[in-house]
Amino acid sequence: RKEVEQDPGPFNVPEGATVAFNCTYSNSASQSFFWYRQDCRKEPKLLMSVYSSGNEDGRFTAQLNRASQYISLLIRDSKLSDSATYLCAVNTGTGGFKTIFGAGTRLFVKA
Amino acid sequence: NAGVTQTPKFRILKIGQSMTLQCTQDMNHNYMYWYRQDPGMGLKLIYYSVGAGITDKGEVPNGYNVSRSTTEDFPLRLELAAPSQTSVYFCASSPRGVAKNIQYFGAGTRLSVL
Repeated sequence: RKEVEQDPGPFNVPEGATVAFNCTYSNSASQSFFWYRQDCRKEPKLLMSVYSSGNEDGRFTAQLNRASQYISLLIRDSKLSDSATYLCAVNTGTGGFKTIFGAGTRLFVKA
Repeated sequence: NAGVTQTPKFRILKIGQSMTLQCTQDMNHNYMYWYRQDPGMGLKLIYYSVGAGITDKGEVPNGYNVSRSTTEDFPLRLELAAPSQTSVYFCASSPRGVAKNIQYFGAGTRLSVL
């Protein structure tokens, strides 16, 4: 089993749709969690951190379920500009060198 | 507002050649990382550094070397390039403190070994 797993997609959704991605992790001692966005042929950029209580940033909501060992990302009212690959990242210890990245989920938002 | 800068952006190597991928950051971050990203495979950590003079192996270090003589620079050396090293290489950095696990990436170097 991979340490961090994501559904590769692609997810094809119309503008205005709500779409959700899940990411599962195997190390129950994992401490911090993130979603990164990666545009085609570009570098990953932090989208948001994921907190135990869940957090929201505009149209984006991230949640953590420690019992089931997954994190989720919900995008409401999808825009064309949301088309990208979304990487989840899980820290298994202290320090960025303990980060495990998922392979990413591709999202295409169509007009 | 440069952040993390990588050079070159693209490179084609012949099998057996060597090269250095350059990475510099101007954010005074202590931690720096080198990743490779193969299609559909996610990011794999090659080497990392927690400060000047300190480096350590990541998940896939074979065929690579690094050095960290200054806080700003973290070059990655490929010796005797092989086709298996064809990939996109990303350098990243992160600060100390509460944000230490948040990484800032350079634009990447696309390397082909033929």
